[in-house]
Amino acid sequence: NAGVTQTPKFRVLKTGQSMTLLCAQDMNHEYMYWYRQDPGMGLRLIHYSVGEGTTAKGEVPDGYNVSRLKKQNFLLGLESAAPSQTSVYFCASSYSRLRGATDTQYFGPGTRLTVL
Amino acid sequence: AQTVTQSQPEMSVQEAETVTLSCTYDTSESNYYLFWYKQPPSRQMILVIRQEAYKQQNATENRFSVNFQKAAKSFSLKISDSQLGDTAMYFCAWPNDYKLSFGAGTTVTVRA
Repeated sequence: NAGVTQTPKFRVLKTGQSMTLLCAQDMNHEYMYWYRQDPGMGLRLIHYSVGEGTTAKGEVPDGYNVSRLKKQNFLLGLESAAPSQTSVYFCASSYSRLRGATDTQYFGPGTRLTVL
Repeated sequence: AQTVTQSQPEMSVQEAETVTLSCTYDTSESNYYLFWYKQPPSRQMILVIRQEAYKQQNATENRFSVNFQKAAKSFSLKISDSQLGDTAMYFCAWPNDYKLSFGAGTTVTVRA
C-alpha cells in the first residue's frame, strides 16, 4: 500500500516549457487535490476533484490545468511555465465527507519545481 | 470569510519540555473537523491529530493533545515531552467545503 505517490520529485523548467505532474493513490479515495507551498504562505489549493471525471478550481488556478480520467490518478499540467510557478507542489487525497464534514487528507511527498 | 491563523511563526523548546502552538479560525459551519499537520525537513505532510468539533472532549495522540475552545474558535496543539524528532513546521488546517485551508505554519525547533 503505497498511499499517495507523485512523479517527478524534482524538475527544472525553462520559461514557456510545459510539463505534467502525476499523482496516484491506491486508497480508493474519492477526493483528490493539488496544492502549492510557498514560504510563509502555507499551502494553497490549485484545483481539486470530488470524483472521477470531475474537477474544480481552487484558490490559485491560473496557469494550471488538471484532469481526473481515472479515480486513482490526478494530473496537474503547466502549459507555459512561468518563474512565479516555482514552488513545491503537493497532491492529497481523502475519502468523501465523514458525517457531513471533510475528512482527513493524505499527502504525497511533494514535487519541487523550479522555473528559470 | 473563513480563515485559519497561526500567530507564532517560530518557537523553540528544550528537549523533554512542553510547547503549545496556537491556532484560531473562523467558520459558520456547525459540524467540522480541525487538523494539525507536521512537516519535517523531509517535506512530507504528516497528520498529527484531528479534532471533531461536535465532541467536547479534546483529542489526544500520545504526546500530542489539543485544547479546543469552540466558542472562541481556538484550536491549540500541545506537544509534551518534546523530542528532537518533533522539530518540524506545524500547520493548523480547517476544512472549507471539500477543501482544507492552512495557516502559514509555526516552525518548532527542539533543542538538545
